[in-house]
Amino acid sequence: GENVEQHPSTLSVQEGDSAVIKCTYSDSASNYFPWYKQELGKGPQLIIDIRSNVGEKKDQRIAVTLNKTAKHFSLHITETQPEDSAVYFCAASKGTTDSWGKFQFGAGTQVVVTP
Amino acid sequence: DTAVSQTPKYLVTQMGNDKSIKCEQNLGHDTMYWYKQDSKKFLKIMFSYNNKELIINETVPNRFSPKSPDKAHLNLHINSLELGDSAVYFCASSQVAGNQPQHFGDGTRLSIL
Repeated sequence: GENVEQHPSTLSVQEGDSAVIKCTYSDSASNYFPWYKQELGKGPQLIIDIRSNVGEKKDQRIAVTLNKTAKHFSLHITETQPEDSAVYFCAASKGTTDSWGKFQFGAGTQVVVTP
Repeated sequence: DTAVSQTPKYLVTQMGNDKSIKCEQNLGHDTMYWYKQDSKKFLKIMFSYNNKELIINETVPNRFSPKSPDKAHLNLHINSLELGDSAVYFCASSQVAGNQPQHFGDGTRLSIL
């Protein structure tokens, strides 16, 4: 089955700097890659997603890039702010009938933005 | 309005008891999910229902039984609770079963004494 590896497990950045989180997936049939942000005591919230027919997607300070050949995708946060501090999860899924879009999540990255 | 709501938020109980967690979504979605998040924050799918029909059933002890009375509700009943069941359980929903964004509730923290 699909396996998603996420690095780093923790990331400390100074406010205003950029943060990059990388994920690698194993199943070349995966074609949907969402990113979630989880704040303390809350459920994961979708922040951006990308499909395999696109190489890059941006939404204000966040962007995601996808390299299908290398089977990895990355989250980029620019001009980090203290409210960006949270755990970030990547996920991969394939839209086949047998998988029903089942998400395989990475292990998460704890991001700490220090003022 | 909360899109995906779970009750209770906290559940503290003794080993061997039976407990239920309820989930409701008001997004009009067809598909709902249960996830387990362990102490290391790892998120693992347990079950998924599409229009009240079970479509994903991961390797979960049969002490866990999901029930979907209608497509807006998905409950999780756990029999004979064990220490290893302590975790945060998340309900989620998506418009359809497939490569669609999933919307999560805020979780139920289950603690077994």
